[in-house]
Amino acid sequence: DAGVIQSPRHEVTEMGQEVTLRCKPISGHDYLFWYRQTMMRGLELLIYFNNNVPIDDSGMPEDRFSAKMPNASFSTLKIQPSEPRDSAVYFCASSLAWGSGYTFGSGTRLTVV
Amino acid sequence: QQQVKQSPQSLIVQKGGISIINCAYENTAFDYFPWYQQFPGKGPALLIAIRPDVSEKKEGRFTISFNKSAKQFSLHIMDSQPGDSATYFCAASRMNRDDKIIFGKGTRLHILP
Repeated sequence: DAGVIQSPRHEVTEMGQEVTLRCKPISGHDYLFWYRQTMMRGLELLIYFNNNVPIDDSGMPEDRFSAKMPNASFSTLKIQPSEPRDSAVYFCASSLAWGSGYTFGSGTRLTVV
Repeated sequence: QQQVKQSPQSLIVQKGGISIINCAYENTAFDYFPWYQQFPGKGPALLIAIRPDVSEKKEGRFTISFNKSAKQFSLHIMDSQPGDSATYFCAASRMNRDDKIIFGKGTRLHILP
């Protein structure tokens, strides 16, 4: 298995632009998580899905953030409009079942200028 | 009550020495305590995990020690090697509930050659 695949690896965008981050989880994993990592705040859970259904989006910082999982093999995290404070590394992770270990992707480093 | 406090924030150890990272939690309902290892440019990867029914778990040079009464657990890396230089995260969750996993802030470990 290729693991969790995220794209793009790096994204540089101007403030006010829409940004879409993509994730392909491991086949057969029922849970998908979106995390944001910064030096100041560490790893923050933004939202997670179970069987493509959003379960907890309480970590989504603002209405500018939205996430979808249209099928078991694809998820997106969208920021519209983007702001400089959104600059961070965004990770997608998946797990086979609740309580089992997470497999993280390599992340998308987002820079908003 | 949902916090996991991790220390130290950074750690420098001589090659061959023992690296020790500590974590403390408050929620006594937590019953799954994983450690993740993250190399630069990569996502965190599950390293080792423990359940509270045992006081210690060892995998190669990595050992988790668990003290249920003190609500503390720690990672010991024996015979530390330069290749162990990474950021380590402790975490906690409840395995059979839809509660999000809580990560510590991370420890940046540097092993001197």
